[in-house]
Amino acid sequence: ETGVTQTPRHLVMGMTNKKSLKCEQHLGHNAMYWYKQSAKKPLELMFVYSLEERVENNSVPSRFSPECPNSSHLFLHLHTLQPEDSALYLCASSHGGNSPLHFGNGTRLTVT
Amino acid sequence: KNQVEQSPQSLIILEGKNCTLQCNYTVSPFSNLRWYKQDTGRGPVSLTIMTFSENTKSNGRYTATLDADTKQSSLHITASQLSDSASYICVVSLFSGGYNKLIFGAGTRLAVHP
Repeated sequence: ETGVTQTPRHLVMGMTNKKSLKCEQHLGHNAMYWYKQSAKKPLELMFVYSLEERVENNSVPSRFSPECPNSSHLFLHLHTLQPEDSALYLCASSHGGNSPLHFGNGTRLTVT
Repeated sequence: KNQVEQSPQSLIILEGKNCTLQCNYTVSPFSNLRWYKQDTGRGPVSLTIMTFSENTKSNGRYTATLDADTKQSSLHITASQLSDSASYICVVSLFSGGYNKLIFGAGTRLAVHP
């Protein structure tokens, strides 16, 4: 158990669907992150929230919309995705500074 | 450009053997370097962190080295076990704009065979 829980573990959606990914952490961390992991490529940072405020948006298309209602929960709302958006989406949390990231086990997303 | 390059891309070794994974970086200003282990179907887990002044750090059978002059790091795995089969990701942190920014390598995929 990593302390960071992501649901669902797998998601298949059509390009016209709307879905949401959920992340929950009970580690008392004040920063939460969304990363995209594609095969044989480095993790790509998408969004960073610190104390529930978005502090970084890494030029992510507007079809990805994050939401951080409180310091323990993070969502990624998806709509009108493209097949190239198929990837593993990882949520992470940390105390910030030099502390390590604690990752969830990811949501494997397939866009058909 | 801030980059982290890892080699080899993939590696197969026999159980009980040793191996060394490499990480070269062009990141400035350097803050620290971490190695993460990512098992299949799981998220990455931090193995070790190294700061500018540290040359070697061990975590069980894992030993990381850092040469800040040549901007190289290695992860040595001793007496490999089947459970070491995973991707190993090198992550370099730089301090910019008042906070730490992480630069990820693409990882080395290690397979340990019996």
